[in-house]
Amino acid sequence: ETGVTQTPRHLVMGMTNKKSLKCEQHLGHNAMYWYKQSAKKPLELMFVYSLEERVENNSVPSRFSPECPNSSHLFLHLHTLQPEDSALYLCASSQGLAGGLETQYFGPGTRLLVL
Amino acid sequence: DQQVKQNSPSLSVQEGRISILNCDYTNSMFDYFLWYKKYPAEGPTFLISISSIKDKNEDGRFTVFLNKSAKHLSLHIVPSQPGDSAVYFCAASAIGTSYGKLTFGQGTILTVHP
Repeated sequence: ETGVTQTPRHLVMGMTNKKSLKCEQHLGHNAMYWYKQSAKKPLELMFVYSLEERVENNSVPSRFSPECPNSSHLFLHLHTLQPEDSALYLCASSQGLAGGLETQYFGPGTRLLVL
Repeated sequence: DQQVKQNSPSLSVQEGRISILNCDYTNSMFDYFLWYKKYPAEGPTFLISISSIKDKNEDGRFTVFLNKSAKHLSLHIVPSQPGDSAVYFCAASAIGTSYGKLTFGQGTILTVHP
């Protein structure tokens, strides 16, 4: 496996379900990100982890819960979601250098549908 | 307040011609700019970047121009090919972030007709 992988690629869940999205990066990066992409909107940054520590949480509802057990893996735990949470969820990673000026590399995304 | 704007939702170009995608930004702290390409049902793919110390960066058919005084950047694709049809996002990063935090524009759908 190379790059950034995400599983599952597609997910349908009811509002009372609990599910998790998984992201794995094989690039030796130190920073990982969750984004949400809704139709006709810019990518919305949800969470950032740098060296396994959460460094940003952009006012995301508590029904989304991230977990970063190590620098290669990132999870997004979902529970009691709403239909408006249906979107493409993208994971990305970057080297995590101080000072920025770096490129993020994205996974293929998980297409989530909440019924 | 959207700090990175792509004011053209779509662009249609004939194969072989030049495609010019535009992006404007408002935050004067942005110093690194990137373009990503995205096909349906896939994640964005990094295309090309430019730092604020340059005004042009070229990679094959793709050239990015940066006009700092106008807070404007553009992506030129020459010659355009049908496989270039995708959504193009510009993104910007600010000075001094401890990681590569990016702010994205809304995207421009490019269609290249054979």
